[in-house]
Amino acid sequence: DTAVSQTPKYLVTQMGNDKSIKCEQNLGHDTMYWYKQDSKKFLKIMFSYNNKELIINETVPNRFSPKSPDKAHLNLHINSLELGDSAVYFCASSPGTGGQPQHFGDGTRLSIL
Amino acid sequence: AQSVTQPDIHITVSEGASLELRCNYSYGATPYLFWYVQSPGQGLQLLLKYFSGDTLVQGIKGFEAEFKRSQSSFNLRKPSVHWSDAAEYFCAVGASGGSYIPTFGRGTSLIVHP
Repeated sequence: DTAVSQTPKYLVTQMGNDKSIKCEQNLGHDTMYWYKQDSKKFLKIMFSYNNKELIINETVPNRFSPKSPDKAHLNLHINSLELGDSAVYFCASSPGTGGQPQHFGDGTRLSIL
Repeated sequence: AQSVTQPDIHITVSEGASLELRCNYSYGATPYLFWYVQSPGQGLQLLLKYFSGDTLVQGIKGFEAEFKRSQSSFNLRKPSVHWSDAAEYFCAVGASGGSYIPTFGRGTSLIVHP
């Protein structure tokens, strides 16, 4: 029974397209996150939501828009995809805010052609 | 601002040998400290955490870590490495408070020779 699930696992698309990644957690956690991991494995937080409210928004281009319809779901929509958006995107959740232990999904590998 | 430094990009050990991965942090108060492991093609999995109390913490898979406030370090250790331990290891710092931004080190890649 997967705790944090992301779909799709792989996403290959062309520059300029719009795409979405979905994330769901069944742990009953209040806080969810999106991270971007680059080719050198560097993990950078993008957004965090607590009970559907945005609490962290880290210098991310406004082409990226997160949406949290309820506290179990946090989706990421990306407009006008660029080559530099190629990366692995991880969703995570934690019981609360402030750097609690996080549970990660398996990632979505986004490749821009 | 808080920061985490993992000075070793790669570590190579022989199977059965002991392991120590280094982590140094910078934070104004007592931090929450974590080690995560990432196997190829997977997300990060929590190995262990330190919030307070005993400075030597035990984790899963036979790992332990020691918090040393005087050295601002939280090094990860394992007495005998198995081939399945080959993975990427991340140290992270956290704290209480809603506005805190989780910060991860750049990771250390562990290579295990048979």
